[in-house]
Amino acid sequence: DIQMTQSPSSLPASLGDRVTITCRASQDIGNYLRWFQQKPGKSPRLMIYGATNLAAGVPSRFSGSRSGSDYSLTINSLESEDMAIYYCLQHNEYPLTFGSGTKLEIK
Amino acid sequence: EVQLVESGGGLVQPGRSLKLSCLASGFTFSNYGMNWIRQAPGKGLEWVASISSSSSYIYYADTVKGRFTISRDNAKNTLYLQMTSLRSEDTALYYCARGGSYYYWGQGTLVTVSS
Repeated sequence: DIQMTQSPSSLPASLGDRVTITCRASQDIGNYLRWFQQKPGKSPRLMIYGATNLAAGVPSRFSGSRSGSDYSLTINSLESEDMAIYYCLQHNEYPLTFGSGTKLEIK
Repeated sequence: EVQLVESGGGLVQPGRSLKLSCLASGFTFSNYGMNWIRQAPGKGLEWVASISSSSSYIYYADTVKGRFTISRDNAKNTLYLQMTSLRSEDTALYYCARGGSYYYWGQGTLVTVSS
């Protein structure tokens, strides 16, 4: 099975900061990588698909990138509404696997 | 408007069975694969099972294989998850999500396995 190692698990940050969350894939997954945002009591929201593509309705301060087996989600100029837990998901092959999550919180 | 509405969750004793449903609306259900994903209380997301649009392809997580069965009724626009031999570790909020995009999710239905 493909393991998705996500870091950090917790990320204290200030409003206006630029932050980056990373998932490392244990095997090649191409660009079959998605990022989700989840707020308390809410269903996950798709943010990024195809590793680098912004999902519909997602603010342009969010971006996704890839460097080899490392996939990153970057948020420029952090806003209060961005405080949430973020998960990556590889869907290159079954079983699909999520990263363990990164809790983004106000410093 | 795309809507996915899960139902069927509840409190069940270990070893018993439960069947979840996900009623879809706002799109042509028979054109899309569907998925179940779960989230234990305070924990992360775990993919459970996927089914193709015509039920030709079905996949399960190892943690549920042999105990859970995903199915669908395209005439009723409904996705199902039959869960048997339930364990305490199956306690979670169960979400259905549409297709390979995972853009649309339901609100989840809570399954609690406890004696």
